[in-house]
Amino acid sequence: AQKVTQVQTEISVVEKEDVTLDCVYETRDTTYYLFWYKQPPSGELVFLIRRNSFDEQNEISGRYSWNFQKSTSSFNFTITASQVVDSAVYFCALSPNLQGGSEKLVFGKGMKLTVNP
Amino acid sequence: DAGVIQSPRHEVTEMGQEVTLRCKPISGHDYLFWYRQTMMRGLELLIYFNNNVPIDDSGMPEDRFSAKMPNASFSTLKIQPSEPRDSAVYFCASKGGTGRATDTQYFGPGTRLTVL
Repeated sequence: AQKVTQVQTEISVVEKEDVTLDCVYETRDTTYYLFWYKQPPSGELVFLIRRNSFDEQNEISGRYSWNFQKSTSSFNFTITASQVVDSAVYFCALSPNLQGGSEKLVFGKGMKLTVNP
Repeated sequence: DAGVIQSPRHEVTEMGQEVTLRCKPISGHDYLFWYRQTMMRGLELLIYFNNNVPIDDSGMPEDRFSAKMPNASFSTLKIQPSEPRDSAVYFCASKGGTGRATDTQYFGPGTRLTVL
């Protein structure tokens, strides 16, 4: 079975602090995708990043960076110099199979980040 | 480019009434997904379509829920009769097209349903 675990449910930081959101996944598939989505207070789900299981290079996009480690089944997300606009619920998700089969996107429970001024 | 469009954005109805939620996927996408988000269960997939054909409806909670996709640019999720426990945010998502983003699901703004 596929499973995504976000152990932290809620984090509160002060603006300009760095914060890391943890994500651990379980799957028996050898190929899969991992995702992060952001849900701001307005409610929409915004795609942030997709990572192929065979590409373990870390990625940086502005203040955002992602650390994928297949050996520990983790796909952690770091926000550097956090800002109030980063306040949102962040979801990690797993798409279990690249080669046909189920197209289900399995989500973690989400982690609420509050950045205080 | 227009994203996924959902209507209505908010719906308040009384128990027993029929509710129809609508979705227009991103043009060129051949997959369409319906999700439900609640505090208790988080985000859960209800059903998805490929080329307008339902592929997996195992997440549909019960026979009161039905979904259709009559063409590539329109889908509906219907609840009849509605119950208070159906209150949730319902998201539509689509994926497909060409290029790097083909395997990424893009979500609509959601419909917040309240059943009194």
